[in-house]
Amino acid sequence: GAGVSQSPSNKVTEKGKDVELRCDPISGHTALYWYRQSLGQGLEFLIYFQGNSAPDKSGLPSDRFSAERTGGSVSTLTIQRTQQEDSAVYLCASSTGTGITGELFFGEGSRLTVL
Amino acid sequence: DQQVKQNSPSLSVQEGRISILNCDYTNSMFDYFLWYKKYPAEGPTFLISISSIKDKNEDGRFTVFLNKSAKHLSLHIVPSQPGDSAVYFCAASEGNTPLVFGKGTRLSVIA
Repeated sequence: GAGVSQSPSNKVTEKGKDVELRCDPISGHTALYWYRQSLGQGLEFLIYFQGNSAPDKSGLPSDRFSAERTGGSVSTLTIQRTQQEDSAVYLCASSTGTGITGELFFGEGSRLTVL
Repeated sequence: DQQVKQNSPSLSVQEGRISILNCDYTNSMFDYFLWYKKYPAEGPTFLISISSIKDKNEDGRFTVFLNKSAKHLSLHIVPSQPGDSAVYFCAASEGNTPLVFGKGTRLSVIA
C-alpha cells in the first residue's frame, strides 16, 4: 500500500505476556519512528531509526521495550512482560529522513490493551 | 517536563467562525514547528508547518503564527467547518531530532 501499515490494529493481552507490534513504512522512507499515546496524553516518543540503526532510543520507558528494523524497512516493537500501564495506542511513522525533521507520515496505530 | 504544551484540552467553535488553537514551548532551540490533525481511529496527518525563520505561514483556510520571543505558536482556521472537528497536535523539533508533541486540543465545530 501507499501508506504506513501497522499490525495488529488491536491487541488484547494478559499482564506478563510478550507482544510484538509491526510497522511497514512507506517505501523509500529511511526514517522510522515509534510513538505511543496513552489515554489523555499526547504522543510520547519511543525510538527512532535511520536505516537499520537507532540513533535515539531515549524514549523507551524501560528495558522491557525493544525495537528492531531490518532491511531498512519493516520494524518490530517488542514489549516483554507487559504491564497494565503499557496499554496505549502505539503509532509508527516514517519520513524521508533527510535534513531537519519534517513531515511524518503516521500509520493508524496498534491499540494495546493489557488486562 | 513537557517541552510542548497545549493548555486547552478542548475548544468549541461555531461553523463559519475562526478557530484559534494555541501552543507554547520551552526549548528555545526548536527550529521547526508543525500541526497535525487526528480523527478517531486514524493516525495523525500533517496539516501545516513553519520554520523558525518565519513568523507566519498560510495554506488555504489554515494559518500558523510563530512568536519566538514568547515561545508561542497558534493555528488559525477560518472559516471553521464541521469537518475540521478533530484533535489537533502541535509538534516541534530541533534540527533532525524526533518531533516532540503536545497533548492535543480537541476542536468541535458546531453547525
